[in-house]
Amino acid sequence: NAGVTQTPKFQVLKTGQSMTLQCAQDMNHEYMSWYRQDPGMGLRLIHYSVGAGITDQGEVPNGYNVSRSTTEDFPLRLLSAAPSQTSVYFCASSPDRATNEKLFFGSGTQLSVL
Amino acid sequence: AQRVTQPEKLLSVFKGAPVELKCNYSYSGSPELFWYVQYSRQRLQLLLRHISRESIKGFTADLNKGETSFHLKKPFAQEEDSAMYYCALGGFRGNMLTFGGGTRLMVKP
Repeated sequence: NAGVTQTPKFQVLKTGQSMTLQCAQDMNHEYMSWYRQDPGMGLRLIHYSVGAGITDQGEVPNGYNVSRSTTEDFPLRLLSAAPSQTSVYFCASSPDRATNEKLFFGSGTQLSVL
Repeated sequence: AQRVTQPEKLLSVFKGAPVELKCNYSYSGSPELFWYVQYSRQRLQLLLRHISRESIKGFTADLNKGETSFHLKKPFAQEEDSAMYYCALGGFRGNMLTFGGGTRLMVKP
């Protein structure tokens, strides 16, 4: 049981480049989400999904796209990377509504945009 | 809009001293409060939640709706408690969480 798996662990991009951060979970969780972690600002929700085919915006969605074609995968796409998107990105999942407050986090992706 | 405030970015105490990490929230609905912890080189993980009224690793937290606070307490800090602690608020749209800015706890020997 791998839990929540994120790839890559580290990435350096140039301004304007695009890339996709991968997130997969093998716990059959309905809820998945992406957060970014910045010093002094805690974790801020980017996008989330309550099930396959359903996504919604979080607190800081601009510059990011997501899709949820399967229960297992929830990729985060940066369309045109900007230095302001330098951050640590965490994917998280949670089970059904009764216990969805307990988030299971991935190990994070450290992204630098030059 | 919901908001979580952790006023201390860094809290440094000696081993054996009491610890209190402060958390205040603003939310017009019925709040669900949590504490998450991130130890060095480890994933963020749930420490405790107010609905469980539990004590985990000696830590407790009481939800005070009058003061809109959910402070995390431990009577005797241990070196292994050194970590980043995040207070989080749930109970609304998408059942996702709003996190505070985090407090780094350093327990000195």
